[in-house]
Amino acid sequence: DGGITQSPKYLFRKEGQNVTLSCEQNLNHDAMYWYRQDPGQGLRLIYYSQIVNDFQKGDIAEGYSVSREKKESFPLTVTSAQKNPTAFYLCASSSFGTKPLQPQHFGDGTRLSIL
Amino acid sequence: AQRVTQPEKLLSVFKGAPVELKCNYSYSGSPELFWYVQYSRQRLQLLLRHISRESIKGFTADLNKGETSFHLKKPFAQEEDSAMYYCALYLSYGQNFVFGPGTRLSVLP
Repeated sequence: DGGITQSPKYLFRKEGQNVTLSCEQNLNHDAMYWYRQDPGQGLRLIYYSQIVNDFQKGDIAEGYSVSREKKESFPLTVTSAQKNPTAFYLCASSSFGTKPLQPQHFGDGTRLSIL
Repeated sequence: AQRVTQPEKLLSVFKGAPVELKCNYSYSGSPELFWYVQYSRQRLQLLLRHISRESIKGFTADLNKGETSFHLKKPFAQEEDSAMYYCALYLSYGQNFVFGPGTRLSVLP
């Protein structure tokens, strides 16, 4: 089954610890996105990347970092600077520059909690 | 600033009743709008997009530029329509998407 795979499904972080969430896609999509989902706030964009080795900050990038070394992979690191990391994190991908615009495909998500 | 609003956090209707989930947007450019749905224990998925002008699972949505709205409608709700619905706007200048806060639809038997 092609698509987007996020791992792990559940993740726990200790105080002062950095954790990395994995996102892999086999859809040959150029663009990838990370969202944070909190109750009542919908999806808020953390970072996105339209091509390999390039990425842009979204609305709530502080305390997070990403890399895009391969087209298929877009890992998100939640650093110790993120003071309220408990949330559900969604990864998405889409084709880029196509007409008509193609919608995003989403992963199953990772739920991050603080120990 | 561009944004998407969905005024209802929760909408409950009885099976067979009409349902309308509201979505309003603010955007200076030409909008491209989507509705996404998340059923229980499933991943977020596209329901429909305004340029397709299609009906998916009985749902339709019409873009009204005058009212800056993209409301989702279905004439006869079914229990399997119970889910979380998100309206999303594509930002052409940033080439990313902004989502509304979502509306949880509950269809009662």
